[in-house]
Amino acid sequence: DQQVKQNSPSLSVQEGRISILNCDYTNSMFDYFLWYKKYPAEGPTFLISISSIKDKNEDGRFTVFLNKSAKHLSLHIVPSQPGDSAVYFCAAKLQNSGGSNYKLTFGKGTLLTVNP
Amino acid sequence: DAGVIQSPRHEVTEMGQEVTLRCKPISGHNSLFWYRQTMMRGLELLIYFNNNVPIDDSGMPEDRFSAKMPNASFSTLKIQPSEPRDSAVYFCASSLAGRSYNEQFFGPGTRLTVL
Repeated sequence: DQQVKQNSPSLSVQEGRISILNCDYTNSMFDYFLWYKKYPAEGPTFLISISSIKDKNEDGRFTVFLNKSAKHLSLHIVPSQPGDSAVYFCAAKLQNSGGSNYKLTFGKGTLLTVNP
Repeated sequence: DAGVIQSPRHEVTEMGQEVTLRCKPISGHNSLFWYRQTMMRGLELLIYFNNNVPIDDSGMPEDRFSAKMPNASFSTLKIQPSEPRDSAVYFCASSLAGRSYNEQFFGPGTRLTVL
């Protein structure tokens, strides 16, 4: 039972355009959401996060939007660059519940390709 | 500033053999996580430690898998005996517990192939 879902395995975008990566979740007890980026032969690296008490967080070209009622979040990259080509993972953290406080649940990832 | 270090980077072994993966977390971090990445299941948490103590091993697939953290700077993930379906990329990650959010820093991974 996947609690964090990234339904698009891949996305292709032209350089300079907007990339929108989507993520859905089922557990309303998640209180923090993170996006990680992964290049081939490397480990995932943290990109941007958002608390469940917010609906938007922006960092340069990257913006994450959270819609709690729909249990949906999205990552917008504007403008997209060829160097953004990577696998993007959505992850979620449960509210402080003893030992589970530090556990992240990841989606399966979306491969973004930005074409020059 | 060294990140999370994993060894070996690649491991090819035959079914039935014992495999040991190693991880050195970032100095000062007190939480350590082992993940497995496959095409079918994505990135799944196997086990994590807080202050060298295993907190949640519910993701460990079978008794063939075991993990230890004898001290704050070293952890192992062992598979004995290994099977072809264990072929995957295994990541170790560390973080500093106690922050409001959990930014985990990942190592480069170990690509395991079991023939």
